[in-house]
Amino acid sequence: IAGITQAPTSQILAAGRRMTLRCTQDMRHNAMYWYRQDLGLGLRLIHYSNTAGTTGKGEVPDGYSVSRANTDDFPLTLASAVPSQTSVYFCASSEEGHLTGELFFGEGSRLTVL
Amino acid sequence: GQNIDQPTEMTATEGAIVQINCTYQTSGFNGLFWYQQHAGEAPTFLSYNVLDGLEEKGRFSSFLSRSKGYSYLLLKELQMKDSASYLCAPMDSNYQLIWGAGTKLIIKP
Repeated sequence: IAGITQAPTSQILAAGRRMTLRCTQDMRHNAMYWYRQDLGLGLRLIHYSNTAGTTGKGEVPDGYSVSRANTDDFPLTLASAVPSQTSVYFCASSEEGHLTGELFFGEGSRLTVL
Repeated sequence: GQNIDQPTEMTATEGAIVQINCTYQTSGFNGLFWYQQHAGEAPTFLSYNVLDGLEEKGRFSSFLSRSKGYSYLLLKELQMKDSASYLCAPMDSNYQLIWGAGTKLIIKP
């Protein structure tokens, strides 16, 4: 089934550790995004990529980095995890940037930083 | 600043109709989206409005008034599977989605 795959689905991590959340899509969408979702708050954009080879900062980029070496993959790295990064992380894609609007989401990665 | 306001939680009865309101303030406007999110799952697209008026899609309809900064999602013939959170997300002048915290809809038999 075509779509977005995220890994891991859940992870407990010690503070200070490095962690990479993986995201792969097979829909050949140009744009990809990383959001975090916290209780009582709307989805917040961390980083985005409108096309392979380019990335941009979203609303809450500090402490996170991304790369977009090819169309399909968009990993999110926490260089040194902190407890405030405990959240559910969603990767998403769309055909063209935000212009088409409709986002397709992965199932999420639940991260707990202790 | 940019702001989205929607009720935190609503309760409705199976078979009934419910309207979920959303008011917004954004820097520019390029349409408004509604997404559905079941607990523990990913959001899924429901509707998109860019012009004023009502868009109907089966049991779900979405309304937009750009001058009032207002939208609503109307769900008819409620089913238990409609229990979920409903996320309002207008798109600003930079084509960035601004997400509300969502309305948790509880359907009772």
